[in-house]
Amino acid sequence: NAGVTQTPKFQVLKTGQSMTLQCAQDMNHEYMSWYRQDPGMGLRLIHYSVGAGITDQGEVPNGYNVSRSTTEDFPLRLLSAAPSQTSVYFCASSRKLLGLNYGYTFGSGTRLTVV
Amino acid sequence: AQSVTQPDIHITVSEGASLELRCNYSYGATPYLFWYVQSPGQGLQLLLKYFSGDTLVQGIKGFEAEFKRSQSSFNLRKPSVHWSDAAEYFCAVGAGNTGTASKLTFGTGTRLQVTL
Repeated sequence: NAGVTQTPKFQVLKTGQSMTLQCAQDMNHEYMSWYRQDPGMGLRLIHYSVGAGITDQGEVPNGYNVSRSTTEDFPLRLLSAAPSQTSVYFCASSRKLLGLNYGYTFGSGTRLTVV
Repeated sequence: AQSVTQPDIHITVSEGASLELRCNYSYGATPYLFWYVQSPGQGLQLLLKYFSGDTLVQGIKGFEAEFKRSQSSFNLRKPSVHWSDAAEYFCAVGAGNTGTASKLTFGTGTRLQVTL
């Protein structure tokens, strides 16, 4: 049981490049989210999904796109990378219990540097 | 909108001493509360959660937390800290309505250092 798998673990991009951070879970979880973690700021929600085909914006969505064509996968796309997007990105998934988030399982993160 | 405040950025305790990490939340309805731990270079691991019922919840690794509605708090405690508990701890609150139930809002974290 792999849990939540994120790839790549490390990435360096040049300003203006685009890329996709991959996230897959094998627990049949309904909820999935992307967070970014920056020093002193905790985790901030980028985008989230309540099920296949349904996504919504979180606290800091600008510069990022998501889609959820399957229950398992929730990729995060950086459209045109900027140095302000240098961060550690976490994908998380959770069961839906009585309509509520039962508690996230997190991936191990992707450390992204934009130069 | 929901929010979480962790007033202590950094705490140092001696091994064997007791620990309490503070968490205050803001949410207009019934909150759903979580504590996570993050070791350096790792993802976050769920320690415990509160949904309803008994306000004192037990978690993994000997941690417990108490929900106090009157104080809007959900403090994390451990009677005797081990050196391996050194990590960063995050409190999070989830919405109590199904429309936004998938969203968890995190605090900025408390870094715990354990001295031998």
